[in-house]
Amino acid sequence: KNEVEQSPQNLTAQEGEFITINCSYSVGISALHWLQQHPGGGIVSLFMLSSGKKKHGRLIATINIQEKHSSLHITASHPRDSAVYICAVSRQGAQKLVFGQGTRLTINP
Amino acid sequence: GAVVSQHPSRVICKSGTSVKIECRSLDFQATTMFWYRQFPKQSLMLMATSNEGSKATYEQGVEKDKFLINHASLTLSTLTVTSAHPEDSSFYICSAGRLAGEGTGELFFGEGSRLTVL
Repeated sequence: KNEVEQSPQNLTAQEGEFITINCSYSVGISALHWLQQHPGGGIVSLFMLSSGKKKHGRLIATINIQEKHSSLHITASHPRDSAVYICAVSRQGAQKLVFGQGTRLTINP
Repeated sequence: GAVVSQHPSRVICKSGTSVKIECRSLDFQATTMFWYRQFPKQSLMLMATSNEGSKATYEQGVEKDKFLINHASLTLSTLTVTSAHPEDSSFYICSAGRLAGEGTGELFFGEGSRLTVL
């Protein structure tokens, strides 16, 4: 079983829909990251969380440390949001990231 | 602009040649940088941790003589794929954090380098 599990693996939605991507992890962490990878391959760090909730524009990320679960929400989704979204965690006492398998999001106009 | 810059973005080479990929932190010092490899439709796989002024720490299964890592300054790490073969064709990407250790600071990723070995 992977230490970081994401769901769903693939998600297709219509423009304007509210999107939720989930991430569960099984190890103690110091931080959780949400990353966005576009088809060209470049990766952008969206959020780094250790507790609570963060918001940036139409993106919201939450984390529940007790339940070892995080969600990434996209409000008013747009075709330009189409990308692979990756959850990654930093284990306590370690520098390395452990990655989820990614969620491929496609927003149709 | 990009805080971590990677070069080249694409490289095509013949089998048996060596290829160097550079990763630079543009406006901060990075004592630690990380090199990842990504196969099509798969997630990133950590290859090694690059430490400024010391030897890189390689993940299990990654050949250190095949993938040479040099972190000569606080803003530059290089990955050299030696005697490249077609199976080395992949997307290579680096990352660095503003503070020491990825778990303590914001992360920045390079744009990635797509290597094709003919």
